[in-house]
Amino acid sequence: SQQGEEDPQALSIQEGENATMNCSYKTSINNLQWYRQNSGRGLVHLILIRSNEREKHSGRLRVTLDTSKKSSSLLITASRAADTASYFCAARMDSSYKLIFGSGTRLLVRP
Amino acid sequence: DSGVTQTPKHLITATGQRVTLRCSPRSGDLSVYWYQQSLDQGLQFLIQYYNGEERAKGNILERFSAQQFPDLHSELNLSSLELGDSALYFCASSVGSGDTYEQYFGPGTRLTVT
Repeated sequence: SQQGEEDPQALSIQEGENATMNCSYKTSINNLQWYRQNSGRGLVHLILIRSNEREKHSGRLRVTLDTSKKSSSLLITASRAADTASYFCAARMDSSYKLIFGSGTRLLVRP
Repeated sequence: DSGVTQTPKHLITATGQRVTLRCSPRSGDLSVYWYQQSLDQGLQFLIQYYNGEERAKGNILERFSAQQFPDLHSELNLSSLELGDSALYFCASSVGSGDTYEQYFGPGTRLTVT
């Protein structure tokens, strides 16, 4: 089964609103990454947060990590129609080089 | 454009057949990763190569194999294809093999098995 589970599965918001997506994982991790995928296209790396970090910012993105709860959240502020995409969290476990992806959140930003 | 190229973009083939997917990593990247994305299984890591050697293995079936060549391009071979192998296959590359190296994804190859 997948390491990361995300919620919500789908999110529809108005342009200008904030979007929050959550990810939970099962075992201890080295880092957690967030990716974006436009329909049928390749994934684009957004941000990486290490297990010893609690919060990280990149432009309009804010990621938090709570290792005690084994969860992470991605916040997109002041959303734009161009943010419409699927967002995936990916966990890199302590003992492995591989990334385990969550099921993704489909975000629709209405203009 | 990530700098990772994959060919072909689309592939339609019949059950029982064998296909080869090709990936060229970004210039300077030594690691190549293969992923499978399907509706029922989501995005799954298949295998990683670093500088020609297998580094990590995920949910890769025995019918599938991969290799990385001296020029660092990689090929994923899928044999005895089944309907369930229909999926998007992504290749990604990174500079190194460590945990903090960002992976850059190619546009994918869409495989349809009929």
